[in-house]
Amino acid sequence: DIVMTQTPLSLSVTPGQPASISCKSSQSLLHSNGKTFLYWYLQKSGQSPQLLIYEVSSRFSGVPDRFSGSGSGTDFTLKISRVEAEDVGVYYCMQGIYLHTFGQGTKLEIK
Amino acid sequence: QVTLKESGPVLVKPTETLTLTCTVSGFSLSYARVGVSWIRQPPGKALEWLAHSFSNDEKVYSTSLKSRLTISKDTSRSQVLLTMTNMDPVDTATYFCARLYCDSVSCFPFDYWGPGILVTVSS
Repeated sequence: DIVMTQTPLSLSVTPGQPASISCKSSQSLLHSNGKTFLYWYLQKSGQSPQLLIYEVSSRFSGVPDRFSGSGSGTDFTLKISRVEAEDVGVYYCMQGIYLHTFGQGTKLEIK
Repeated sequence: QVTLKESGPVLVKPTETLTLTCTVSGFSLSYARVGVSWIRQPPGKALEWLAHSFSNDEKVYSTSLKSRLTISKDTSRSQVLLTMTNMDPVDTATYFCARLYCDSVSCFPFDYWGPGILVTVSS
């Protein structure tokens, strides 16, 4: 099975400052069709997760452009350019090249 | 408007079989580019993907739980069912169903989720 490892597990950020979360997969997520099946989700307290980023770097419908994704192969990053109070929650990366596996989650809080 | 909603027992005893139902609306389970997964989350812990039902009736399962899981669908009722046998207290979790949708270019796993149902396993 593919293992997804996120760092850090928690993050405290001042509003307006940037934030970055790393996600590493135990196997390459690059498919033979050229797509890389890495996704990012945000789960706010008491809510279901919501899709933020698909295929490494494409923002899902309605996601603010302060969120960006990058990476390739086995190393990926989610960046928030200027954190806002509404960004608080737990962020998960997920692979979709072979079944699905989520990372352990990264809890973002505001300082 | 796309919605999904989980239903089923909130309390089961150890060794019992759990059956959960995901009722969807706003899309058809027969659409070629749509599927539904079950995902769970123990209290305070991470998400764990369990199983997926494709529109062509193909099914895939978590390798670690495959022997205990069965996913099925009733297209006419717009329902996707999950059965998990031999329940244990460690299976206590919120169980979510979520849609996977593909357009002509990309797939969007879990673009819509149900609110989840907390299932407690206790005698």
